[in-house]
Amino acid sequence: AQSVSQHNHHVILSEAASLELGCNYSYGGTVNLFWYVQYPGQHLQLLLKYFSGDPLVKGIKGFEAEFIKSKFSFNLRKPSVQWSDTAEYFCAVSRGNNLFFGTGTRLTVIP
Amino acid sequence: EADIYQTPRYLVIGTGKKITLECSQTMGHDKMYWYQQDPGMELHLIHYSYGVNSTEKGDLSSESTVSRIRTEHFPLTLESARPSHTSQYLCASSEWGGSGNTIYFGEGSWLTVV
Repeated sequence: AQSVSQHNHHVILSEAASLELGCNYSYGGTVNLFWYVQYPGQHLQLLLKYFSGDPLVKGIKGFEAEFIKSKFSFNLRKPSVQWSDTAEYFCAVSRGNNLFFGTGTRLTVIP
Repeated sequence: EADIYQTPRYLVIGTGKKITLECSQTMGHDKMYWYQQDPGMELHLIHYSYGVNSTEKGDLSSESTVSRIRTEHFPLTLESARPSHTSQYLCASSEWGGSGNTIYFGEGSWLTVV
């Protein structure tokens, strides 16, 4: 079955720690890849996206993600997290008319 | 900043009642979507629309129905709510033009059916 997997359900980090959230997908062929973030009480909003070109994508707020086609992965990274990064993070893969989401990873950053 | 609004944000309703979740966007987007998300689970597409008078079912079967009479408005209706309909419903929109466009989300409507 086609799917998007986020293996970490809840990640707890101290401020200034480095972050890497895993995302794997199982679709073949061309895909568009996204990371969305949902801060407490707010909309889901786009963090970054990959369509083509450089597999290392820079997003807002110091986030980046690397598309590794051979591993079907699109992991999200940030070198130094802040308390304000506490949120839920969703990886998504676009195919045709649909956007398939992972189950999300809740990030809690401790001051 | 996304200009997409959902009402109500929270609703508790009795079994058998009819409910409509409202969704409006002011960005002039042609494509609109409804996603359903149970706690700790994936978001699943239940309905989408390419434009006025266009509605399609998504990958997750749903007893809800939608309509698209105006570009900016995409309401979702449950004729007879059941406890199994308890979930979060997220409305979204994007520009027309393929799978790569960014989707903008509303804040969601939390529905509890008792």
